[in-house]
Amino acid sequence: DAGITQSPRHKVTETGTPVTLRCHQTENHRYMYWYRQDPGHGLRLIHYSYGVKDTDKGEVSDGYSVSRSKTEDFLLTLESATSSQTSVYFCAISDMAYEQYFGPGTRLTVT
Amino acid sequence: TQLLEQSPQFLSIQEGENLTVYCNSSSVFSSLQWYRQEPGEGPVLLVTVVTGGEVKKLKRLTFQFGDARKDSSLHITAAQPGDTGLYLCAGDNNNDMRFGAGTRLTVKP
Repeated sequence: DAGITQSPRHKVTETGTPVTLRCHQTENHRYMYWYRQDPGHGLRLIHYSYGVKDTDKGEVSDGYSVSRSKTEDFLLTLESATSSQTSVYFCAISDMAYEQYFGPGTRLTVT
Repeated sequence: TQLLEQSPQFLSIQEGENLTVYCNSSSVFSSLQWYRQEPGEGPVLLVTVVTGGEVKKLKRLTFQFGDARKDSSLHITAAQPGDTGLYLCAGDNNNDMRFGAGTRLTVKP
């Protein structure tokens, strides 16, 4: 299994608070991704990175920002959490752009 | 609207039966992946298909990529309870990765 960890694994926060989720890899893969998974929608890409400090928006990027200052870490920040951002968030890594390996997920609840 | 439509959404069968699930799109993809996801875990990559018409086998699982690279199917022979899970297809086009909503398969002993 690819070495990917996500932290925290579970978080409950209040509307309007900032939240940062962390993805850490030990595989030295170039690409890293953040997805959210919601019933009926499947996995939707939020942001991705193709190298240190190189990031781009995905399908549902509004309300989210990312940073990648080191190859191994990719951070997802919700500047001001809203109830619509309650979801399960998955990080994925890839050495080839299309074969992705996923982390265990973070369950975020915004009350 | 999903770019990739998977059918059926839910499938419940008895152990030993065969089944096919589908992944359809109006878009052409450079490659298509199938993943399986179990509750509380991240998706796990099963296979990647790249060439139109390509067929790949993984033990009892057979994956086919459509000739026009717009659709794919997954056939499972003699399903087992261990095959239970959410099967997701994903299409890639120049790093624009899109996932279907999945087929939730339950195999009863």
